[in-house]
Amino acid sequence: QVQLVQSGAEVKKPGASVKVSCKASGYIFTTYYLHWVRQAPGQGLEWMGMINPTNGNTNYAQKFRGRVTMTRDTSTSTVYMELNSLGSEDTALYYCARERPGATMGFDYWGQGTLVTVSP
Amino acid sequence: EIVLTQSPGTLSLSPGEGATLSCRASQSVDNRHLAWYQQKPGQAPRLLIYATSSRATGIPDRFSGSGSGTDFALTISRLEPEDFAVYYCQQFGGSSWTFGQGTKVEIK
Repeated sequence: QVQLVQSGAEVKKPGASVKVSCKASGYIFTTYYLHWVRQAPGQGLEWMGMINPTNGNTNYAQKFRGRVTMTRDTSTSTVYMELNSLGSEDTALYYCARERPGATMGFDYWGQGTLVTVSP
Repeated sequence: EIVLTQSPGTLSLSPGEGATLSCRASQSVDNRHLAWYQQKPGQAPRLLIYATSSRATGIPDRFSGSGSGTDFALTISRLEPEDFAVYYCQQFGGSSWTFGQGTKVEIK
């Protein structure tokens, strides 16, 4: 069965960086894009960007360009999201989610979420 | 960036009643790129509807989507106890995805 399993919770100081992983299984890793979506406490969903696991091409939301890097490791079917220069506003639950390219079928599977807390 | 505005913010209804949730876009959205998600407390979002009106795998037929251009809707024909949750619309345009702010459907 399809699974996206994310790394565990993180606590970071302001100004630090965090790197969250998302390991895919149950399907061919290179046949789906992987997106990152975050949700601040009690708030809505915010799209951060996506990576094409086939070639590593990325597309970041304007808000995060220059501060986020998404990478992948095809040998382990894992994607990574690194966010730099953390501030308190980055405290959120971070999700990965997959999308079938060109199929306009939405984000059909999601990871369980990784809580990132930014605190002095 | 296309902004999605959902209304109402909260819908208070009883089980068995019907619900219509609205999603309005700041500019025209390609019908192929409009989706709806359900999120329950402590859970990841779940895809309900994609391409405006197609139900995702395993989604009951009491959920339906409609609309075009800038106005879209999610309709739940008869609310079951498990349908009380927050619902988000989502669109893709101009190389970026955006979500609405959500509509909470709560038990009256």
